[in-house]
Amino acid sequence: DSGVTQTPKHLITATGQRVTLRCSPRSGDLSVYWYQQSLDQGLQFLIQYYNGEERAKGNILERFSAQQFPDLHSELNLSSLELGDSALYFCASGDSGSTTDTQYFGPGTRLTVL
Amino acid sequence: AQKITQTQPGMFVQEKEAVTLDCTYDTSDPSYGLFWYKQPSSGEMIFLIYQGSYDQQNATEGRYSLNFQKARKSANLVISASQLGDSAMYFCAMREDMTNDYKLSFGAGTTVTVRA
Repeated sequence: DSGVTQTPKHLITATGQRVTLRCSPRSGDLSVYWYQQSLDQGLQFLIQYYNGEERAKGNILERFSAQQFPDLHSELNLSSLELGDSALYFCASGDSGSTTDTQYFGPGTRLTVL
Repeated sequence: AQKITQTQPGMFVQEKEAVTLDCTYDTSDPSYGLFWYKQPSSGEMIFLIYQGSYDQQNATEGRYSLNFQKARKSANLVISASQLGDSAMYFCAMREDMTNDYKLSFGAGTTVTVRA
């Protein structure tokens, strides 16, 4: 168990809908990273938050947004969903305060868009 | 350009034997970290081992060791005494410190199947 929690584990929805994925980082970690894993794109970095502030953006679509709350949990919002958004979404946490800064991953949320 | 290249899509290994998974990387950042993760069929990503670019010695964690050859820009993972539970997808990843955001760039992964 990495100490990172993600809910829900599975999500099935329809095209055009909006969903929210939730992540709680490990105790003491200030950084949250979101990644998308799909068959055609592999593992792609989406966005990073550090202590409530957005720090870095990767290949995140404009239809997607995220935030990190004062208690450090994070939510990834996906809207106007398309079939191609079906993927495994990971949250990872790290402290970003050391040179090792290992990122520990949550169990993922498997999103299926029908 | 691909930052991380894993050229072996799939490998078979006999139980109790060692297996080496290849990983090459591309960066101009003098400070970086290299990571290996394991993804079993259940889907979670499990951290295995880390190597920093300035580390003089190869990293080891139990049955996992990282063969770090900086000049060749390679960071191969060696799993010794393979077990059936080692069957999984393995990802090599890199963090470049110059970016100051610590995001990971991943390779395409190598599927390892351990045979009894």
